[in-house]
Amino acid sequence: TQLLEQSPQFLSIQEGENLTVYCNSSSVFSSLQWYRQEPGEGPVLLVTVVTGGEVKKLKRLTFQFGDARKDSSLHITAAQPGDTGLYLCAGLLPNSGGSNYKLTFGKGTLLTVNP
Amino acid sequence: DAGVIQSPRHEVTEMGQEVTLRCKLISGHNSLFWYRQTMMRGLELLIYFNNNVPIDDSGMPEDRFSAKMPNASFSTLKIQPSEPRDSAVYFCASSLRGGRSPLHFGNGTRLTVT
Repeated sequence: TQLLEQSPQFLSIQEGENLTVYCNSSSVFSSLQWYRQEPGEGPVLLVTVVTGGEVKKLKRLTFQFGDARKDSSLHITAAQPGDTGLYLCAGLLPNSGGSNYKLTFGKGTLLTVNP
Repeated sequence: DAGVIQSPRHEVTEMGQEVTLRCKLISGHNSLFWYRQTMMRGLELLIYFNNNVPIDDSGMPEDRFSAKMPNASFSTLKIQPSEPRDSAVYFCASSLRGGRSPLHFGNGTRLTVT
């Protein structure tokens, strides 16, 4: 069972379109991170959201953390071919001891932006 | 800063052989994670270390897998004996303070076991 469910799995759009991808769970997270991964490389952090309801913007990317801290969304405005990649969300759960934290990843949304 | 460095980038081996993957952390980082990525299962956490001590190895598939941190800047992941189902991309990542800090990933080792 996947702790974090990302949707859609695949998304192919034309340059200039807007899109939203989702990251959902039944668990409450201390925080949630979004990464982008390009072919042949490791994931690279885009943003961390911590507070329920928080919204962060990174140029044309808008990230939102759900009020209950169980879900998140990423909205891209006027997508460009350079946005192509695998978008991964990762939730931070405290371990049973509470002093160390375990980051768990979703399977990602593979975005292709066609010129 | 050179970032997290993994070697080799690609490894092709026959079933039953021993495989050793290597990772050099970013200087000053004290947490080290090993992940495995496949199409079917995505990124799975295998093990993570804090200050050279293994904190959580619950993701290690079975006894064939072992990981070590002989010092603060270097780690190895060993598979012995390897099996075809171990084929995947293996990533290591380091951070300042566990999962609470951003993870910096290496570019991975693509392992193929035939």
